[in-house]
Amino acid sequence: NAGVTQTPKFQVLKTGQSMTLQCAQDMNHNSMYWYRQDPGMGLRLIYYSASEGTTDKGEVPNGYNVSRLNKREFSLRLESAAPSQTSVYFCASNVGGGRSGANVLTFGAGSRLTVL
Amino acid sequence: KQEVTQIPAALSVPEGENLVLNCSFTDSAIYNLQWFRQDPGKGLTSLLLIQSSQREQTSGRLNASLDKSSGRSTLYIAASQPGDSATYLCAVSTSGSRLTFGEGTQLTVNP
Repeated sequence: NAGVTQTPKFQVLKTGQSMTLQCAQDMNHNSMYWYRQDPGMGLRLIYYSASEGTTDKGEVPNGYNVSRLNKREFSLRLESAAPSQTSVYFCASNVGGGRSGANVLTFGAGSRLTVL
Repeated sequence: KQEVTQIPAALSVPEGENLVLNCSFTDSAIYNLQWFRQDPGKGLTSLLLIQSSQREQTSGRLNASLDKSSGRSTLYIAASQPGDSATYLCAVSTSGSRLTFGEGTQLTVNP
């Protein structure tokens, strides 16, 4: 039972390069989320998708785009990476529906991104 | 804007001690509160979820309480073990799909 799978686990980029972080869940969850975790800042929501076909901005969406490819997959794209985007990125999912924040979140193992 | 604070930022205890981790939040209009555990270099694992209508939840040696009116939650760990060493985070849900996280308490249990 894989849960939430993120790829890649590690990535080093140069300023201005683009990349996509991939996330897939096999729990038939409706809602998926992208967070970033930085020292002294905690986890902050970048984007979320309450259900297939919908996406919404979170607390820190600037510089990112997302795609809910299907119910299983939710990708995060950095079009032109900046050093400020150096962080650990976590994908998460939950059952969703209604007040979907009311459901237990399942997290991936994280993707550590360094932008030089 | 919801703000979540966790005190202390770090805690070191000898094995076998009972301990309490604290979480406070500024907006009491929450749907629920969750406690998570994060091991170094790993993702978060949900430990307990307390709905806004509940006062506490228990799982094994863990007990979480919620006092919505005062904006506080505690995570009680009984008979701590070295394997409990990790960072513990609390998060509150206030609007739809959004959770607001605290920065965590880094716990070290010494053998």
